[in-house]
Amino acid sequence: QQQVKQSPQSLIVQKGGISIINCAYENTAFDYFPWYQQFPGKGPALLIAIRPDVSEKKEGRFTISFNKSAKQFSLHIMDSQPGDSATYFCAASRGSNYQLIWGAGTKLIIKP
Amino acid sequence: NAGVTQTPKFQVLKTGQSMTLQCAQDMNHEYMSWYRQDPGMGLRLIHYSVGAGITDQGEVPNGYNVSRSTTEDFPLRLLSAAPSQTSVYFCASSRDRGDPPYFGPGTRLLVL
Repeated sequence: QQQVKQSPQSLIVQKGGISIINCAYENTAFDYFPWYQQFPGKGPALLIAIRPDVSEKKEGRFTISFNKSAKQFSLHIMDSQPGDSATYFCAASRGSNYQLIWGAGTKLIIKP
Repeated sequence: NAGVTQTPKFQVLKTGQSMTLQCAQDMNHEYMSWYRQDPGMGLRLIHYSVGAGITDQGEVPNGYNVSRSTTEDFPLRLLSAAPSQTSVYFCASSRDRGDPPYFGPGTRLLVL
C-alpha cells in the first residue's frame, strides 16, 4: 500500500526530444505528488508538484500529468536539454503527515 | 543563508565503530529529517523531528539515533556501524511538516 513504482530505471533522449518518466502508486489516500531532480553529488531538489484535484500542471518545459483513476502520474520534459541530465525521483505523501514515499529514481541522459 | 549543511562529505568507518553525522539549517525550519539513499531504492526516511526536543522514527530507524536540542541542529548517530549502513545520507528541513523538504548535499558513508 505504501509503494511508489517508477519507470524506467534509465532513459536516453536526444537533445530537443521529449523525456517521459512514469510513476504508479497504490495508496489512494496519497494527495501530494512531487518530482525531485538530483544532480551528481547534490541533494534532491523539488522540481514540480501536483495535487489530485488537477490533471495536469506545467512549469516551463516540465509538465506533470496525473491520472487519478489509474493511480499514475508522469513527468514530461519538453525540448530536453543536456543540462536536464540528472536523476529524477517521483514521490507521494498523504495529508499533513509529510512522510514522502519515494520512487526508485530514473537516470536521464540527454544526448547532444 | 547557507540552507542545509552536512558534515562530513565523506567518511570511511570500520564495522563496529560509531560516528555522528552533522546537519544544520539556518532557515529556522521546524521540521527536519534524515534519509538514506541506496541504488535502486530511492530515499528512505530514517528519523524525523517536528521541533526541538521532539523526534520520531521513520521507515528504517534501526541502528541510528537522533536528538534535537536546538531548532538548527539535527545530528544522526550510528551506534555500531555495519556494512549494510554503507549509503549516502541526506538531511532535509522544511518550514513545517506540510511543506516540501529542502535537502542538504549529503554525506557518503562507507563501512568496511
